[in-house]
Amino acid sequence: GAGVSQSPSNKVTEKGKDVELRCDPISGHTALYWYRQSLGQGLEFLIYFQGNSAPDKSGLPSDRFSAERTGGSVSTLTIQRTQQEDSAVYLCASSPARDSSYEQYFGPGTRLTVT
Amino acid sequence: GQSLEQPSEVTAVEGAIVQINCTYQTSGFYGLSWYQQHDGGAPTFLSYNALDGLEETGRFSSFLSRSDSYGYLLLQELQMKDSASYFCAVRAHNQGGKLIFGQGTELSVKP
Repeated sequence: GAGVSQSPSNKVTEKGKDVELRCDPISGHTALYWYRQSLGQGLEFLIYFQGNSAPDKSGLPSDRFSAERTGGSVSTLTIQRTQQEDSAVYLCASSPARDSSYEQYFGPGTRLTVT
Repeated sequence: GQSLEQPSEVTAVEGAIVQINCTYQTSGFYGLSWYQQHDGGAPTFLSYNALDGLEETGRFSSFLSRSDSYGYLLLQELQMKDSASYFCAVRAHNQGGKLIFGQGTELSVKP
């Protein structure tokens, strides 16, 4: 079946512009996660959704970052007034439920470059 | 808080066995996961240890010792395609579903 998909695959934007990153999780997966990965680094947790609610937003680096999930499916991560330090690969993952989150299915990521 | 430590790089030759260690400091967690990530690719799940001991999946095995705050991933009969980054991760108690990842170990397999 279809895996996790993300769009766009690459995004180049100018400093100060807003960007929207999209994630389509595996159908039926109730849990959805956003991570950020800088070059050669580990994965940094951003936000977690269970259904449409976000019980854990602790990883969002600033109030310029926000995310929503609708219909228990698609999620959008929005970065306002982008800065150069926002450049990274943004990864989305899903799992059937919170209790099975040890096994997360990752999308290919969106590579964001802020110039 | 939680932190996981892994060696940054490991090099081995084809056909050999390599062990990638993960030591952690966490107040409590459900289990230890391992993920593989090829350059430019998405992380993919390899294994999970909920309990102490060894879990074997083909050429890969993973071990956990909660008393020693330590785990490892063992790769046998190394192949060139095993060259990738390997991450350990924990889902901590009272942290919902998020995973806390180590910084990753880059494995280079040489001919």
